[in-house]
Amino acid sequence: AQSVTQLGSHVSVSEGALVLLRCNYSSSVPPYLFWYVQYPNQGLQLLLKYTTGATLVKGINGFEAEFKKSETSFHLTKPSAHMSDAAEYFCAVTPNNAGNMLTFGGGTRLMVKP
Amino acid sequence: DAGITQSPRHKVTETGTPVTLRCHQTENHRYMYWYRQDPGHGLRLIHYSYGVKDTDKGEVSDGYSVSRSKTEDFLLTLESATSSQTSVYFCAISISGGAGEQFFGPGTRLTVL
Repeated sequence: AQSVTQLGSHVSVSEGALVLLRCNYSSSVPPYLFWYVQYPNQGLQLLLKYTTGATLVKGINGFEAEFKKSETSFHLTKPSAHMSDAAEYFCAVTPNNAGNMLTFGGGTRLMVKP
Repeated sequence: DAGITQSPRHKVTETGTPVTLRCHQTENHRYMYWYRQDPGHGLRLIHYSYGVKDTDKGEVSDGYSVSRSKTEDFLLTLESATSSQTSVYFCAISISGGAGEQFFGPGTRLTVL
């Protein structure tokens, strides 16, 4: 079985500041990892994913995440926050042999102050 | 755009009434999923389907049933709605042979009074 923990249900940053959203997972087999973003009143949109290979993955809108196996983490970062980044972010995991079954974290709401 | 639509987008109903939500996809993907989203819980899987007439339960399936008679449609039914089923419901698809990422519909906001 797998699980996902997102530390901090709400994160507030100033415009232009570093964004760091934390995700830790547990999985009995090597995982595939995902970050999704949800803007108000919309569905979830895939930001980025890690499957195999390079552990630093880049996504849309300037976001990136690093898979750290030793820390069982997949934190999401962006060097400089935009007002338009305000949204809810979800980390998700699937075992790489599980036929597409995702387990989601509880979500982190990012607020960006002017 | 994965071509996923959900209907209705909003619904208000009363306790004890049956409710059916529809998910429609245009690209004949094999895997389809129903989730509910509640504050602090992220998305929780209700039911999923891996083909026509092939469905299975997820984490929070009690009080819900599903049907898939055509590849493109996946229906979620609340046989007798309760206030605890007030939620936002999302349908998703995944692509066979992919890495497991799912693509989501716009959601249905259901309120049970």
